[in-house]
Amino acid sequence: KAGVTQTPRYLIKTRGQQVTLSCSPISGHRSVSWYQQTPGQGLQFLFEYFSETQRNKGNFPGRFSGRQFSNSRSEMNVSTLELGDSALYLCASSYGQGVGETQYFGPGTRLLVL
Amino acid sequence: AQSVTQLDSHVSVSEGTPVLLRCNYSSSYSPSLFWYVQHPNKGLQLLLKYTSAATLVKGINGFEAEFKKSETSFHLTKPSAHMSDAAEYFCVVSENPGNTGKLIFGQGTTLQVKP
Repeated sequence: KAGVTQTPRYLIKTRGQQVTLSCSPISGHRSVSWYQQTPGQGLQFLFEYFSETQRNKGNFPGRFSGRQFSNSRSEMNVSTLELGDSALYLCASSYGQGVGETQYFGPGTRLLVL
Repeated sequence: AQSVTQLDSHVSVSEGTPVLLRCNYSSSYSPSLFWYVQHPNKGLQLLLKYTSAATLVKGINGFEAEFKKSETSFHLTKPSAHMSDAAEYFCVVSENPGNTGKLIFGQGTTLQVKP
């Protein structure tokens, strides 16, 4: 099976702009989670989508949003970008069975905000 | 609430010597624990996971971890380090309870392997 894919891999934006990142899960997986990775804060959970519904949400401002489509592909959007949003954004997919299930990660999208 | 603490931010070993990466967890429930590895500019790869079966868990590339409830620890070990093991390692706990796949990550341990 193909792994989790994320597009684009690299992105440069300026403050105030918005950005959309895409994640295609492993075939058959219905859950997609998003994480932000920064040197200072480490890996932090953004949100999880399962069957097109947000199932869980982390402690991020409302500028961060996401959605999931009927084919399980997911997008996350960040509006009004700030310098601090520069990070590696990782998505992970799984069947959606919940606690203890293995999450499979994509290579990430590296976002640089200038 | 669950949490994990990785006790060393940086570990340096010589090639061929044992590796020990330490992790303590906090959980009010029977935890599901993982170790992931991240090579530079790459995503995260699962090394192994514990979900209340055998306390000694074997993973890929010769790594293993032992779950010790009395010590709330889940240390990662490997008998002999290889240069290719140099990477960032994350101890992770699955959020519980709840029907969610949310993972809670430790701050990471950078493993340096010297020739």
